[in-house]
Amino acid sequence: RKEVEQDPGPFNVPEGATVAFNCTYSNSASQSFFWYRQDCRKEPKLLMSVYSSGNEDGRFTAQLNRASQYISLLIRDSKLSDSATYLCVVNGWETGGFKTIFGAGTRLFVKA
Amino acid sequence: EAQVTQNPRYLITVTGKKLTVTCSQNMNHEYMSWYRQDPGLGLRQIYYSMNVEVTDKGDVPEGYKVSRKEKRNFPLILESPSPNQTSLYFCASGQTGQPQHFGDGTRLSIL
Repeated sequence: RKEVEQDPGPFNVPEGATVAFNCTYSNSASQSFFWYRQDCRKEPKLLMSVYSSGNEDGRFTAQLNRASQYISLLIRDSKLSDSATYLCVVNGWETGGFKTIFGAGTRLFVKA
Repeated sequence: EAQVTQNPRYLITVTGKKLTVTCSQNMNHEYMSWYRQDPGLGLRQIYYSMNVEVTDKGDVPEGYKVSRKEKRNFPLILESPSPNQTSLYFCASGQTGQPQHFGDGTRLSIL
């Protein structure tokens, strides 16, 4: 089982659609959670941190469920510019040290 | 401007020829890390550093070395590169153990 698993995608949605990304993680002791976006052949960019209380940044809402070890990202009113790969990231102290684990990513295509 | 700078951006070299990829950040971040990205495998952590003179292995450290003699620099060293180290490499820095800013990436091809 992978340590961080995401929907395989790709997701193809029309402009204006609402799209949800899901992510599960295996290490219950994980401490911090994030969503990044990565455009083709570019570096990952931090989109937002994820908290149990939920957090919102404009059209983006992230949620963490520690009991289910589940992280979500919701994009409302999607734009063409939202087309990218979305990466779920988990980090925290483990037996081997402080680990940062990336999910494989979910590709999003927003169409006009 | 907050920046993480990697060099070189592209490199084609041969097996066994030692190489160094440099990484420098201008944000006074304590945390720096290196990742490789391969198709179907996503980003995997190679090494990380929580502060000056403190480095530790990530998930895929074999064949790599790092050093952290000063806060701003975190070079990645391949003493004897092999073809399975052909990949896209990213350096990142952050304040609290989180990779906040990434460099533009270094595409390495080992023939």
